Amino acid sequence: AQKITQTQPGMFVQEKEAVTLDCTYDTSDQSYGLFWYKQPSSGEMIFLIYQGSYDEQNATEGRYSLNFQKARKSANLVISASQLGDSAMYFCAMRQGNTPLVFGKGTRLSVIA
Amino acid sequence: GAVVSQHPSWVICKSGTSVKIECRSLDFQATTMFWYRQFPKQSLMLMATSNEGSKATYEQGVEKDKFLINHASLTLSTLTVTSAHPEDSSFYICSARDFRAGLAGVGGDTQYFGPGTRLTVL
Repeated sequence: AQKITQTQPGMFVQEKEAVTLDCTYDTSDQSYGLFWYKQPSSGEMIFLIYQGSYDEQNATEGRYSLNFQKARKSANLVISASQLGDSAMYFCAMRQGNTPLVFGKGTRLSVIA
Repeated sequence: GAVVSQHPSWVICKSGTSVKIECRSLDFQATTMFWYRQFPKQSLMLMATSNEGSKATYEQGVEKDKFLINHASLTLSTLTVTSAHPEDSSFYICSARDFRAGLAGVGGDTQYFGPGTRLTVL
């Protein structure tokens, strides 16, 4: 069975600083995808970044990058130059084949001015 | 990206009534849709997988008679909470899979989320 672990219930970061949100996963499959979503207080799920298990390079999307360490089964999200608008819940998720996304418990990020 | 809509965005109902939530894929056909439930300050929990033209597949612990799912067309899935009770109050989010263009390495599809429906049962 798939399992996603986010060990940081809450994180604080100073505006303009970088922050790393942790995510570890457990799977016996070789083919899988890892995702990060942002959920602001409005509730919508905003897709941020994706990493495929066979991708050799870490994914990057603007200020978001994914630090993928396959041997350690970790897929940490790095947000550079934090902005006040980055304050939200962040969820790590995984999918194997055609299965639906399975989510971690989330990390609440608060950006301080 | 593709758009998924949900209606209503919020609903308040009396205990014992039934509530229907609609999920639509607006610019793509979704043969598969998913329904998630999210309690306050918790993660999204998958309730069921809805397949067009066939019965939904429910996750363990989800009552299929209480949460009726109908995926009658390639763009519409509905979730009906029957005989709702206060403990059913939650944020319900649907998600649709777009097989047209996807992310390499994971089945070539992308999963988009609706804006969610906040249900409050009095």
